[in-house]
Amino acid sequence: NAGVMQNPRHLVRRRGQEARLRCSPMKGHSHVYWYRQLPEEGLKFMVYLQKENIIDESGMPKERFSAEFPKEGPSILRIQQVVRGDSAAYFCASSPLAQGDEQYFGPGTRLTVT
Amino acid sequence: GNSVTQMEGPVTLSEEAFLTINCTYTATGYPSLFWYVQYPGEGLQLLLKATKADDKGSNKGFEATYRKETTSFHLEKGSVQVSDSAVYFCALSVRAGNNRKLIWGLGTSLAVNP
Repeated sequence: NAGVMQNPRHLVRRRGQEARLRCSPMKGHSHVYWYRQLPEEGLKFMVYLQKENIIDESGMPKERFSAEFPKEGPSILRIQQVVRGDSAAYFCASSPLAQGDEQYFGPGTRLTVT
Repeated sequence: GNSVTQMEGPVTLSEEAFLTINCTYTATGYPSLFWYVQYPGEGLQLLLKATKADDKGSNKGFEATYRKETTSFHLEKGSVQVSDSAVYFCALSVRAGNNRKLIWGLGTSLAVNP
């Protein structure tokens, strides 16, 4: 049973480009969470999605960031017009239950903006 | 509000030393409490959890007891190994509207020297 898959593992973008981060949850999990991890700042919740629905996006920056979890395919976190401050590790987690207490994390995507 | 406070790292120990990483919390209601571990270059993994007062979570030689009277969930291990070197995150799960949300501590880095 494959775990949570994220790709790419490393992504380099120039300022102003778009970054697309993909997350495939564990089989049977329909709840996905995205987190950002910055050095010295710990893990920050960004968004919680179920299939075709955004449930909680209270941690998402108001501009340039969006997320989706379509009926088919992986969840996508999109960052438009990236800036250097977007450089971070982005982790996806999934759970089988609604806002499940136990979340299963992917290996993360490390985004570097040059 | 809800929050988690962990002792600051880094913590550096010699192999076979005793480990304590302090974690205290503030929360409304009755949260579940968790310790997650992040090994270098990987995503977070659930280490142990406790769902009610006086519960003890344990895994891989690590233990933590849910202390409601002191609002604490300190992580302990009697004899650490080099392979325990990682970042440890304390978290709590609280109800947020119709959903539950994980609130994270900033993480404590542990380095174990041979």
